[in-house]
Amino acid sequence: DIQMTQSPSTLSASAGDRVTITCRASQSISTWLAWYQQKPGKAPKLLIYSASSLQSGVPSRFSGSGSGTEFTLTISSLQPDDFATYYCQQYRTYSWTFGQGTKVEIK
Amino acid sequence: EVQLVQSGAEVKEPGQSLKISCQASGYSFSNYWIGWVRQMPGKGLEWMGIIYPGDSDIKYSPSFEGQVTISADKSFSTAYLQWASLKASDTAMYYCARLQEQGSTTCPSDYWGQGTLVTVSS
Repeated sequence: DIQMTQSPSTLSASAGDRVTITCRASQSISTWLAWYQQKPGKAPKLLIYSASSLQSGVPSRFSGSGSGTEFTLTISSLQPDDFATYYCQQYRTYSWTFGQGTKVEIK
Repeated sequence: EVQLVQSGAEVKEPGQSLKISCQASGYSFSNYWIGWVRQMPGKGLEWMGIIYPGDSDIKYSPSFEGQVTISADKSFSTAYLQWASLKASDTAMYYCARLQEQGSTTCPSDYWGQGTLVTVSS
């Protein structure tokens, strides 16, 4: 299985901050990577796919980059609605695997 | 509008069987892979397996093969996840999720059900 490692596990930030979350794959996955946002008690929501493509309806303050084994999710200006847990997911090979999650908390 | 509506919360005892459902609407159910994701209390997301309703091709995650059964009924546009004998460690939220591209497994999930909470306790 391809292992996905996210950092940090928890991130404290204020509204308006620029936030970056990193995801590393244990082997190359090209750009077969997605990012999801999950709020407590809710299903995950797709934000980014193919490492850098913005899902329809997702605000442009979210962006993704990277290829191979290292990827980042950036929120350019954190909004109150963005406090949540974020997961990366590789889908290069079955079975798909998720990172362990990064919780973005209010500072 | 694409929607995935899951069956309600379940409370079961160890050793009992269970089948939960995910009813799809708003798209051609037969033509998209649909799968199941487990989230144990306070933990992250784990893929369990996927099914292609068009021909019932199923792919299980190695961690879940033999532990659960995934199925689908095209007539009802519904996918299922079932256990023959539940364990306390099966206590979790279970989500169904549709894969984004028609016929493809190399894509993320763009639509998710609301989740079904399964509690297994004596």
